[in-house]
Amino acid sequence: KAGVTQTPRYLIKTRGQQVTLSCSPISGHRSVSWYQQTPGQGLQFLFEYFSETQRNKGNFPGRFSGRQFSNSRSEMNVSTLELGDSALYLCASSTQGLAGVNEQFFGPGTRLTVL
Amino acid sequence: DQQVKQNSPSLSVQEGRISILNCDYTNSMFDYFLWYKKYPAEGPTFLISISSIKDKNEDGRFTVFLNKSAKHLSLHIVPSQPGDSAVYFCAASTQTGTASKLTFGTGTRLQVTL
Repeated sequence: KAGVTQTPRYLIKTRGQQVTLSCSPISGHRSVSWYQQTPGQGLQFLFEYFSETQRNKGNFPGRFSGRQFSNSRSEMNVSTLELGDSALYLCASSTQGLAGVNEQFFGPGTRLTVL
Repeated sequence: DQQVKQNSPSLSVQEGRISILNCDYTNSMFDYFLWYKKYPAEGPTFLISISSIKDKNEDGRFTVFLNKSAKHLSLHIVPSQPGDSAVYFCAASTQTGTASKLTFGTGTRLQVTL
């Protein structure tokens, strides 16, 4: 079974631009979560999508948004980029069965650099 | 407000010895805990988890211990191997319905030396 894939792997943008990152979950996984990893801050939760609906949201400004498609693929968008948005953006998928929290499987991440 | 804390940013252990990675949390609503391992340029890989109804879970060389009263968990790796050198993150969650949100610590870099 193929793992979680993220595209692109690396991205360089300038301040004020916007960016869209893509995530394809493991086949059969309906939940997709996004995290931002920066040095010293660990991984911080951005949002989670399940069946095309945002089900959970972290404490990030409205410049960060996302969506999920009917095939469970997800995109996240960051508008009006700031230098502090430079980070590794990780996507994770899980089956989300009736038991509640399941282990999440992470993609390799997209390294975003804002100049 | 860092709800999950890994106070040791790094740890060095000799091959064959025990590695103990620690994690503290403040939110008493957390009831599910996980450990992830991360190599450079890769996403975190799930290692082992524990539910709050247990105090120990073992999987091969990896054992996680949970002390709910102290809000503390630890990951033991025995014996440590050079391939275990990576950054280890602990994560916690509350089982709110079926929502999936993990709160991560800042990570501990483990170096296993020969």
